Amino acid sequence: EVHLLESGGGLVQPGGSLRLSCAASGFTFSSYVMNWVRQAPGKGLQWVSYISGSGSSTYYADSVKGRFTISRDNSMKTLYLQMNSLRAEDTAVYYCAKGSSSGYISPSDYWGQGTLVTVSS
Amino acid sequence: QSVLTQPPSASGTPGQRVTISCSGSSSNIGGNTVNWYQQLPGTAPKLLIYSNNQRPSGVPDRFSGSKSGTSASLAISGLQSEDEADYYCAAWDDSLKGWVFGGGTKLTVL
Repeated sequence: EVHLLESGGGLVQPGGSLRLSCAASGFTFSSYVMNWVRQAPGKGLQWVSYISGSGSSTYYADSVKGRFTISRDNSMKTLYLQMNSLRAEDTAVYYCAKGSSSGYISPSDYWGQGTLVTVSS
Repeated sequence: QSVLTQPPSASGTPGQRVTISCSGSSSNIGGNTVNWYQQLPGTAPKLLIYSNNQRPSGVPDRFSGSKSGTSASLAISGLQSEDEADYYCAAWDDSLKGWVFGGGTKLTVL
């Protein structure tokens, strides 16, 4: 059974940093693309970042480009999101989501339960 | 403001058929397939429809999707109370090099 478990969320001051992790199990982690998607309180879904199965290819939303870095450790079956220079508008529940294949345009077929990041002084 | 446009709300009575629209452009829906997600209150999103009209295993055939040009739609027939949720369309955008979502449609079962 596919399982994704995010961790690392919490309260951070504006300008601060946080690293999110997503532990994966139940599938061959390295064979699938992964994404981070966030949802601000009471708002809709917003894609944040994509990473290929090997980790060699990444994409970012314009709103986080230059501040966030996605990475993965296939040996540890873990996805990461390093978030720097955090702003109040980054406050959201962050979900990791598994792509349905190795192709970059593959829908996210499994999602974690999310981890809340709150940026506030 | 979302790249894909959805109505903010929709409603229907049990047993009715409801459709939710999703409008985009040539760089997203016009050139790529559309996926739909269902988000029940307080839970993570769930893939409902992929590749415009395909249902993942376990999704009832009451749910169907279609696409024409730069628009897509989700239809729910035989509406049930447990269908009350937020529904999001999504597509890859070739210009933005990323996934774009609709703003979401809150479905109320009256």
